[in-house]
Amino acid sequence: GQQVMQIPQYQHVQEGEDFTTYCNSSTTLSNIQWYKQRPGGHPVFLIQLVKSGEVKKQKRLTFQFGEAKKNSSLHITATQTTDVGTYFCAVSSGSARQLTFGSGTQLTVLP
Amino acid sequence: DSGVTQTPKHLITATGQRVTLRCSPRSGDLSVYWYQQSLDQGLQFLIQYYNGEERAKGNILERFSAQQFPDLHSELNLSSLELGDSALYFCASSASRTSGATYNEQFFGPGTRLTVL
Repeated sequence: GQQVMQIPQYQHVQEGEDFTTYCNSSTTLSNIQWYKQRPGGHPVFLIQLVKSGEVKKQKRLTFQFGEAKKNSSLHITATQTTDVGTYFCAVSSGSARQLTFGSGTQLTVLP
Repeated sequence: DSGVTQTPKHLITATGQRVTLRCSPRSGDLSVYWYQQSLDQGLQFLIQYYNGEERAKGNILERFSAQQFPDLHSELNLSSLELGDSALYFCASSASRTSGATYNEQFFGPGTRLTVL
């Protein structure tokens, strides 16, 4: 299956600062999905990217898919305490479209 | 609320025992996925069922098995439990390819936290 490496593992930011998490693969990815898991919660789908160079925005969140479709990033502008959680990238692959998750980036926002 | 339900929420048991985790997918979803989340292994795909049939297997141990019933609910059976099986077990469902869904996103249930003592 397609594997993705995600960095950083942890990120502490002051409220109002920006945050970015990165996913990288050694192989070309067919797609990339992003999920958010709040503390004590379950993963919640944020977005899916499928096209080379694709950029999508959701309010303060910007998602990018690299030109070579080997990397992706999630950028949050002016973080808020509600952004706290772990952000996962995931690749949907196989006939069952099962998800292979990155290791996640745990975001802490200090008030 | 994702529309996916899982029971029980917490389960505490001893090594060597057998447990059954239950999942009901969102109304209309035919696919059910099981994932295990542990501190050392992260979120890992275990197995997927589509309309009652097993479609894909991931890193699922032979001690683990699953099934999907005619009403589309699914059960994950874990037997001969070991300390290392302690983890969060998530069930997820997704819309069928023919439903016209834009994304093949998965909707996760609240999870079952299994503690093996």
